[in-house]
Amino acid sequence: KAGVTQTPRYLIKTRGQQVTLSCSPISGHRSVSWYQQTPGQGLQFLFEYFSETQRNKGNFPGRFSGRQFSNSRSEMNVSTLELGDSALYLCASSLAGVSMETQYFGPGTRLLVL
Amino acid sequence: GNSVTQMEGPVTLSEEAFLTINCTYTATGYPSLFWYVQYPGEGLQLLLKATKADDKGSNKGFEATYRKETTSFHLEKGSVQVSDSAVYFCALSDGSGTYKYIFGTGTRLKVLA
Repeated sequence: KAGVTQTPRYLIKTRGQQVTLSCSPISGHRSVSWYQQTPGQGLQFLFEYFSETQRNKGNFPGRFSGRQFSNSRSEMNVSTLELGDSALYLCASSLAGVSMETQYFGPGTRLLVL
Repeated sequence: GNSVTQMEGPVTLSEEAFLTINCTYTATGYPSLFWYVQYPGEGLQLLLKATKADDKGSNKGFEATYRKETTSFHLEKGSVQVSDSAVYFCALSDGSGTYKYIFGTGTRLKVLA
């Protein structure tokens, strides 16, 4: 079974631009979560989608948004990029997104904002 | 709110040494607890998990026991190898119905040959 895939793996943008990251979950998984990983803040939860609906959201500004398609693939968008948005963005999927489930992580997209 | 506290790293050990990485948590209800590992340049992989009090999770020689009385989930391994060098994350998943993982800050382990 193929794992979680994320594209692109690396991205360089400049301040003020916007970016879209993509995540394809494991086949059959309907829950997709997004995390931001930085050396200073560690892993922070962005949001979780299930059946095309955002169920949970972390404490990030409205510049960060996402969506999920009917095939469970998810995209994350960051508008008006800031230098502080430079990070590794991780996507994780699970079957139904319930508490005791394991999340399966993709390799991440490394975003550098100049 | 819910939180996870991990011991600060880095932790440097010689091969075959005993490993303990401390993790304590604060949570309402009955969270599930996890240890994830991140190797350089990769995403996180589940190492082990426990879903209720007194459960012991184990995998690849690593163990952790869900201790509700001390709100802890310490990771242990009897004999580490160079290949265990990685960053280890303790995490909890809120058991109240909302699905939101909370991660600790991570502990970097370096094992020397």
